[in-house]
Amino acid sequence: AIQMTQSPSSLSASVGDRVTITCRASQDIRNDLGWYQQKPGKAPKLLIFAASSLQGGVPSRFSGSGSGTDFTLTISRLQPEDFATYYCLQDNDYPRTFGQGTKVEIK
Amino acid sequence: QVQLVESGGGVVQPGRSLRLSCVVSGFTFRNYGMHWVRQAPGKGLDWVAVIWPDGNRKYYGDSVKGRFTISRDNSRNTLFLQMNSLRVEDTALYYCTPLTVTPDSWGQGTLVTVSS
Repeated sequence: AIQMTQSPSSLSASVGDRVTITCRASQDIRNDLGWYQQKPGKAPKLLIFAASSLQGGVPSRFSGSGSGTDFTLTISRLQPEDFATYYCLQDNDYPRTFGQGTKVEIK
Repeated sequence: QVQLVESGGGVVQPGRSLRLSCVVSGFTFRNYGMHWVRQAPGKGLDWVAVIWPDGNRKYYGDSVKGRFTISRDNSRNTLFLQMNSLRVEDTALYYCTPLTVTPDSWGQGTLVTVSS
């Protein structure tokens, strides 16, 4: 199975900060990667698909980049509603695998 | 609008079985592969299984392979997960989802607790 290593596991940031989260795949997954946001008590929500495509309705401060094995989710200017946990998901092969998650907390 | 409603969760002893259901509305169920994803309390997301639109192909996560069976009834817009030989570590909130860009939809989840 493809392993997804996500880092950091948590971070503290302030409103307005630029935040970067990374995911590394254990093998080449081309651009077959999505990023999800999950808030407490809620189901995950897709932010980015195909590594860099913004899902409809998602603010443009979210962006994704990368291909092959290394991927990045960037929030350009953190907003109060962005404090949540973020997960990457590879959809290159089965079994699908999620990263371990990154909890973004208020500094 | 798109709606996915899971049911069938509950408290069960280790080694026993449980069957989850997910009723879908708002999109053409028979055209989509469907997934189960779970989340243990306070933990991350764990992909469980997928079934092809026609039901002819299925894949499972390593931790459930041989114990869980995914199936679907396209005439009833319903997805199932038969869970056998349950373990304490299967305790989680189980979500059904097409896990696709459109629709990006998830149910509210159904809680499975495996405990003696």
